Amino acid sequence: EVQLVESGGGLVQPGRSLKLSCAASGFTFSDYYMAWVRQAPTKGLEWVASISYDGGSTYYRDSVKGRFTISRDNAKSSLYLQMDSLRSEDTATYYCTTGITTSFDYWGQGVMVTVSS
Amino acid sequence: DIQMTQSPSFLSASVGDRVTINCKASQNINRYLNWYQQKLGEAPKLLIYNANSLQTGIPSRFSGSGSGTDFTLTISSLQPEDVATYFCLQHNSWPTFGAGTKLELK
Repeated sequence: EVQLVESGGGLVQPGRSLKLSCAASGFTFSDYYMAWVRQAPTKGLEWVASISYDGGSTYYRDSVKGRFTISRDNAKSSLYLQMDSLRSEDTATYYCTTGITTSFDYWGQGVMVTVSS
Repeated sequence: DIQMTQSPSFLSASVGDRVTINCKASQNINRYLNWYQQKLGEAPKLLIYNANSLQTGIPSRFSGSGSGTDFTLTISSLQPEDVATYFCLQHNSWPTFGAGTKLELK
């Protein structure tokens, strides 16, 4: 059974940093791209970043370029999102997701990030 | 970026009703369109992928259709457990989601 478990969320002040983690199991992690998708309170879903199976290629939405870094450790079957210079508009639930049969077919339960002073 | 216009934003229907939700892409996305169900406090669940393929384990009352720019999710006979918000996602290019349709029971 595919499982994705996020951790690392919390309350952080504007301008500070936070690192999210996602532990994967139930599939061959190193074979698949991974992504982060977020959802602001009472809002829709928004793709944040993606990373190729080997970590060699990364992609970001414009609003997080230069502030967020997606990475992975295939030996640990783990995905990360380093978030620097956080803004209030980054407040959201962050989901770890992958595409095995199709894009974004498996999702974690999400982790909440609140950026506030 | 490709914009996804989803309609309606809100839908109220009775048990047994046929329900349709639409997504329109701002440009051709072929059949690279997925549909998700999200219940309150839960992660999105994939229902339909590539416009009309039913994900494993999803009831057959859910179906998808369309190609190019216009897509439809249909629930043939609404059940109480279908109360949720439904989203579409295009993955033809940088992924973008529809704004969602909140479905409630009348």
